[in-house]
Amino acid sequence: SQTIHQWPATLVQPVGSPLSLECTVEGTSNPNLYWYRQAAGRGLQLLFYSVGIGQISSEVPQNLSASRPQDRQFILSSKKLLLSDSGFYLCAWLLNTEAFFGQGTRLTVV
Amino acid sequence: QQPVQSPQAVILREGEDAVINCSSSKALYSVHWYRQKHGEAPVFLMILLKGGEQKGHEKISASFNEKKQQSSLYLTASQLSYSGTYFCGTEDPDSWGKLQFGAGTQVVVTP
Repeated sequence: SQTIHQWPATLVQPVGSPLSLECTVEGTSNPNLYWYRQAAGRGLQLLFYSVGIGQISSEVPQNLSASRPQDRQFILSSKKLLLSDSGFYLCAWLLNTEAFFGQGTRLTVV
Repeated sequence: QQPVQSPQAVILREGEDAVINCSSSKALYSVHWYRQKHGEAPVFLMILLKGGEQKGHEKISASFNEKKQQSSLYLTASQLSYSGTYFCGTEDPDSWGKLQFGAGTQVVVTP
């Protein structure tokens, strides 16, 4: 069966520190992968998506970056976090007609 | 371009019906519907691919209009478990793979 793993579940980081969030998918190959951010009580903002290894489309030109080093791995990074980076980060994958989300990472930048 | 979702919020009593709309300025490849409970990840409800398509699961159903620019989600005889935030997600045929979401509709079902 297809599953998606995202970690950590919660993270508290100081301003200016780096960030690395990892998402891996099992049970499928060549999925479309996505990173979304959700501010408290708000909608899902698309940050990055990838349709294949090394193919990254950026929707939000901020201090975040994404990489897809392997078919089933999607990484969200930042060199220096800002207070405004706080939020609920969700990884998702889409294969054919079904999409599933990871459990999310609640990031608080202090 | 993000889909436009309405209303922003709706409060229902158990057993009442509600409709949530999702629209785009151009024809879409597909429309997805999700429900998110507080503090949890969104959960996939259904996807519509064809113009004029209608789908349903128990008492939650959805339609996709012929021009593939508008979809509606119908909550029929609502139950307490229907509470949550509903999102529509759309795939743009001009940007293959790009899945964007509306701002969400908060649904509160009261006893």
